[in-house]
Amino acid sequence: QVQLVQSGAEVKKPGSSVKVSCKTSGGIFGSNGISWVRQAPGQGLEWMGGITAVFNTAKYAQKFQGRLTITADKSTTTIFMELRSLRSEDTAVYYCAASGTYYPSYSDSWGQGTPVAV
Amino acid sequence: ESVLTQSPGTLSLSPGERATLSCRASQSVSSNSIAWYQHKSGQAPRLLIYGASSRATGIPDKFSGSGSGTDYTLTISGLAPEDFAVYYCQQYANSPFTFGGGTKVEIK
Repeated sequence: QVQLVQSGAEVKKPGSSVKVSCKTSGGIFGSNGISWVRQAPGQGLEWMGGITAVFNTAKYAQKFQGRLTITADKSTTTIFMELRSLRSEDTAVYYCAASGTYYPSYSDSWGQGTPVAV
Repeated sequence: ESVLTQSPGTLSLSPGERATLSCRASQSVSSNSIAWYQHKSGQAPRLLIYGASSRATGIPDKFSGSGSGTDYTLTISGLAPEDFAVYYCQQYANSPFTFGGGTKVEIK
């Protein structure tokens, strides 16, 4: 099963951007679709988008279109999530999560979460 | 976008009791593409069920899922102290892969 290790906590100003990384190991890079899920304080889980790393193609929830970019770097087996034009409502814990298929699906392996405060 | 509605919002039960959690989709979920997760504060979510009724690796058979179309259920038999948590359903048939609002299972 793939292991996911995320970058550390971030504190950002409104209007700025944040880029969170998700280092993958324990599998063949690209064999797992990766999703990004967030949880704001006191709220539930929210699926933001996902990437098919082998093709470097991403899908995004409409809510984040234009502000969110998910990319894959094969050389470092790392997935990145960049969220721009941050506002206070983006304060949340951000998780990357892997599916057992090469495309995003249900997630059976999760990163430890990255707190982002705006 | 498929909206998932979970009920009840909070379930107050005693250890040893059975928990029945509901997840209703705004439209039929193709191929029963419903997953259930357990989430505890400060931890990453844990996959319990996929395909509406298949247990994930290492998940005990006290957790069971059922349902089809728009109505799905997670049943937890014989609640143990470690089972008190928030549970989420998710549909992964169509992007965006929406989550329900969650059901908190708390100790009565």
